[in-house]
Amino acid sequence: QQQVKQSPQSLIVQKGGIPIINCAYENTAFDYFPWYQQFPGKGPALLIAIRPDVSEKKEGRFTISFNKSAKQFSLHIMDSQPGDSATYFCAASIRGGATNKLIFGTGTLLAVQP
Amino acid sequence: GAVVSQHPSRVICKSGTSVKIECRSLDFQATTMFWYRQFPKKSLMLMATSNEGSKATYEQGVEKDKFLINHASLTLSTLTVTSAHPEDSSFYICSAAKGTEAFFGQGTRLTVV
Repeated sequence: QQQVKQSPQSLIVQKGGIPIINCAYENTAFDYFPWYQQFPGKGPALLIAIRPDVSEKKEGRFTISFNKSAKQFSLHIMDSQPGDSATYFCAASIRGGATNKLIFGTGTLLAVQP
Repeated sequence: GAVVSQHPSRVICKSGTSVKIECRSLDFQATTMFWYRQFPKKSLMLMATSNEGSKATYEQGVEKDKFLINHASLTLSTLTVTSAHPEDSSFYICSAAKGTEAFFGQGTRLTVV
């Protein structure tokens, strides 16, 4: 119930391609879904987040698509660049919960080839 | 955004000694902070939730006497790894809650030799 499943585990795309990372959850109480980007040896950085009352959110080259009925959400990176090479984590939490505790997916290692 | 600073970024200690890691929210007050552990190429594993002015809440399987957490002010939480052993070597990351968003520190690479 508390798990967030993420796929693929790793992904290689060419520069300019559109990598897509998928996540699925079970707990319908989750109502906040952020994506984090992490470079080696660094802490995760918040990229973009979505709430279940919208089906899509765009910020720059990053887009989240959200399917509430399927309990799935995905991250799309438009016009990917070698600098986007990093590990991406999806997460979920219950807004207004006692601690806003985040449940993380297993991560996707993205490599963007020049 | 918001800035969370974690110190030190790297530490090497001898087996049996204790190590303290600090997590500070620099431009906001955080009543709740979180401590994670991350193994190489793995996801973040929540260790405990740190609440200002009260005892931390530990996740199942995390030894509270081993990983001491103190959240003495609205901008500082500390994690002390007591009697460290080589198996405690890992990447430790803190985050601070600002509203519904969580902002992460840069992490601490702990190596116990």
